Amino acid sequence: RKEVEQDPGPFNVPEGATVAFNCTYSNSASQSFFWYRQDCRKEPKLLMSVYSSGNEDGRFTAQLNRASQYISLLIRDSKLSDSATYLCVVSTGGFKTIFGAGTRLFVKA
Amino acid sequence: DADVTQTPRNRITKTGKRIMLECSQTKGHDRMYWYRQDPGLGLRLIYYSFDVKDINKGEISDGYSVSRQAQAKFSLSLESAIPNQTALYFCATSDSSQGNTEAFFGQGTRLTVV
Repeated sequence: RKEVEQDPGPFNVPEGATVAFNCTYSNSASQSFFWYRQDCRKEPKLLMSVYSSGNEDGRFTAQLNRASQYISLLIRDSKLSDSATYLCVVSTGGFKTIFGAGTRLFVKA
Repeated sequence: DADVTQTPRNRITKTGKRIMLECSQTKGHDRMYWYRQDPGLGLRLIYYSFDVKDINKGEISDGYSVSRQAQAKFSLSLESAIPNQTALYFCATSDSSQGNTEAFFGQGTRLTVV
């Protein structure tokens, strides 16, 4: 079993739709959680950190469920520019940072 | 200019050749990392360094070596390249004084071993 698992997708949604991604992790000692965005053939960039109480940044909402060991990312009112791969990232501290394989999102007009 | 710069951006090399990938950063971060990315596998850590001369193996270090002679530079070498080392390679940095926070990535090096 992979330490961090994501549905690879692709998710194909129309503009304006709401879409949600989940990510599960296996190490209960994990401390920090992030979502990164990666455009095709580009480097990953931090989208947002995920806090225990849940957090929101504009159209993006991230949530953490420690009991079930998963994190989620919700995108509301999808834009064409949201098309990318979204990487779930889990860290147990120090160097032990594990990247998920990513979920591909295509937003169509 | 990018804060984390990788050279070359693309490289095709033959099996058995030695190749070096360079990474330099202007962010002043103490920690540097080398990852490779393969389709469906995500980013996997090859080596990491927490300071000059500090070298640590990641999960897939076999066939690779690194050097950190200066805080701003972290190079990755493939001593004898093989086709299954064909991948997209990323260098990244982070700042330990900021806790376990954001990693900043270079633009990547696409390596093809034929």
